[in-house]
Amino acid sequence: TQLLEQSPQFLSIQEGENLTVYCNSSSVFSSLQWYRQEPGEGPVLLVTVVTGGEVKKLKRLTFQFGDARKDSSLHITAAQTGDTGLYLCAGAFNDMRFGAGTRLTVKP
Amino acid sequence: NAGVMQNPRHLVRRRGQEARLRCSPMKGHSHVYWYRQLPEEGLKFMVYLQKENIIDESGMPKERFSAEFPKEGPSILRIQQVVRGDSAAYFCASSGFYGYTFGSGTRLTVV
Repeated sequence: TQLLEQSPQFLSIQEGENLTVYCNSSSVFSSLQWYRQEPGEGPVLLVTVVTGGEVKKLKRLTFQFGDARKDSSLHITAAQTGDTGLYLCAGAFNDMRFGAGTRLTVKP
Repeated sequence: NAGVMQNPRHLVRRRGQEARLRCSPMKGHSHVYWYRQLPEEGLKFMVYLQKENIIDESGMPKERFSAEFPKEGPSILRIQQVVRGDSAAYFCASSGFYGYTFGSGTRLTVV
């Protein structure tokens, strides 16, 4: 059983479209992180959210932490082919536990 | 300003051999985490170590797998008597204030 459920599992869109991916859990997290992983490489940290209701923007990426600190979303505006990758959310317990990821493909 | 260094990048072992995977954390980091990733899947936690201590090994298989982080030198993930099901990418991360920094992984193939 995954501690963190990510949806959708796969997402394929055209360049220029908007998208949202989700990370949900029944547990409360002290913090939650989003990573992007490209083929053949390790995950790279995108953002850390700490406060319930927090919204962080990173250029075309908007991250939101739920009020109850159990869920999070990542919204990408005007997707580009360079956004293609595996997006992982991770929640802090004694260590970091990861969801299974959303595999995003942005087609030209 | 080296990041997390893992070696080797690729490792091929025959069934029954031993695999040793190395991880040097970022300078100044004393916490190391090992994760396993199967194709098309996310990261599965294996073990969390500090220098000379295993803090959490709840994700480690009970047999054949061991990990250490000695006072000097890299952290080692050791898999004895490898089987085909051990084929995966193994990532290590070290933690700092802003989150985890991952190495590029070791891709283990058991033939």
